[in-house]
Amino acid sequence: EDQVTQSPEALRLQEGESSSLNCSYTVSGLRGLFWYRQDPGKGPEFLFTLYSAGEEKEKERLKATLTKKESFLHITAPKPEDSATYLCAVQAGNNNDMRFGAGTRLTVKP
Amino acid sequence: DAGVTQSPTHLIKTRGQQVTLRCSPISGHKSVSWYQQVLGQGPQFIFQYYEKEERGRGNFPDRFSARQFPNYSSELNVNALLLGDSALYLCASSLFTTDTQYFGPGTRLTVL
Repeated sequence: EDQVTQSPEALRLQEGESSSLNCSYTVSGLRGLFWYRQDPGKGPEFLFTLYSAGEEKEKERLKATLTKKESFLHITAPKPEDSATYLCAVQAGNNNDMRFGAGTRLTVKP
Repeated sequence: DAGVTQSPTHLIKTRGQQVTLRCSPISGHKSVSWYQQVLGQGPQFIFQYYEKEERGRGNFPDRFSARQFPNYSSELNVNALLLGDSALYLCASSLFTTDTQYFGPGTRLTVL
């Protein structure tokens, strides 16, 4: 069965302290890996889609990378407004749905 | 352009009742997916529709049903509500079934 595991569950950083969030996956026939940001009580906000190992995408302080077994979301010099839950999801095989991990809750202290 | 819209924002029901949630996709998007998210977990897939046809179904009981209309909007129905159905229900739209999905703000359902 397809599995998506995110770590750590929670991460507390000081403003400016760079770090990485991990998303490891076990699927047959990865078609796409997606990163979303979710603020409390709101819908997930799309960040990145990665399709093949070696692919990288950047947006402001965020950079997503993909290998054959995992993806990393690197956060450079985070600010308090980056505090949110970051969700990873995969589409695989013949399934059109996205399977999500449980998320990493990021808190950035000023 | 407007994003995905959902109504209502919040809903309180009692056990055994029925509920209908509504979703309007981004203009031009033909696929709508529904997800259930309970506190502390990632969204869990319920249904996907494309061009009014069901293209995917998650592991949910038959109490859950959905449909898509000619204008690509969608409704999710849940019958015989249980306490465990309390969750944030998310609608996502995409151009096609395999494209990036964009989420609406969700409907918070509370079952008492």
